[in-house]
Amino acid sequence: GAVVSQHPSWVICKSGTSVKIECRSLDFQATTMFWYRQFPKQSLMLMATSNEGSKATYEQGVEKDKFLINHASLTLSTLTVTSAHPEDSSFYICSARDPGLAGGSTGELFFGEGSRLTVL
Amino acid sequence: KQEVTQIPAALSVPEGENLVLNCSFTDSAIYNLQWFRQDPGKGLTSLLLIQSSQREQTSGRLNASLDKSSGRSTLYIAASQPGDSATYLCALAPHGGNTPLVFGKGTRLSVIA
Repeated sequence: GAVVSQHPSWVICKSGTSVKIECRSLDFQATTMFWYRQFPKQSLMLMATSNEGSKATYEQGVEKDKFLINHASLTLSTLTVTSAHPEDSSFYICSARDPGLAGGSTGELFFGEGSRLTVL
Repeated sequence: KQEVTQIPAALSVPEGENLVLNCSFTDSAIYNLQWFRQDPGKGLTSLLLIQSSQREQTSGRLNASLDKSSGRSTLYIAASQPGDSATYLCALAPHGGNTPLVFGKGTRLSVIA
């Protein structure tokens, strides 16, 4: 299947600093990527939809000024956690769909390996 | 609002057993449904994708079924192995197009050797 890669896989930072997480589609172009957040032993919660060349769409309750999303190219979306606090510690996962040849996508969603953020 | 429920939340079985994981959803108007596997601290691996027009999909020892009218999907794992131990997540796309998935909370499976 299609490959989605995230970097870094884990990061530890001090409270008040900003952290950037990258999500890349390695073998396909993705006009849309999705960012999820997962707390321990919980399911994935959608944070925002990242749209190439335009503003991201945030879910209710997600602060857009705190979680900055940039989708500058068809293969890269970034999530920046600004002024991180301990409560931002979580597992962040991105995903994207392979549009397939001539737009014939199966609709299957592929996920990155996830990025574990720990804010001290 | 679409809601996805997975039962049981956790399951422990001896190696070799066949088992069924259940997923239910409240709105039968779905585009497709995916089953994922997640190992601790890792991302999600797509196991099976069932389109709304399909009844089941098979891959190796895995078989997933879909019954939209009753709002249910099951993941059948045959001859379970310790390597199958992981959390299994059910997720569905409410619409066509490039829309995000709605996830269940998962079933944490332990296969004991």
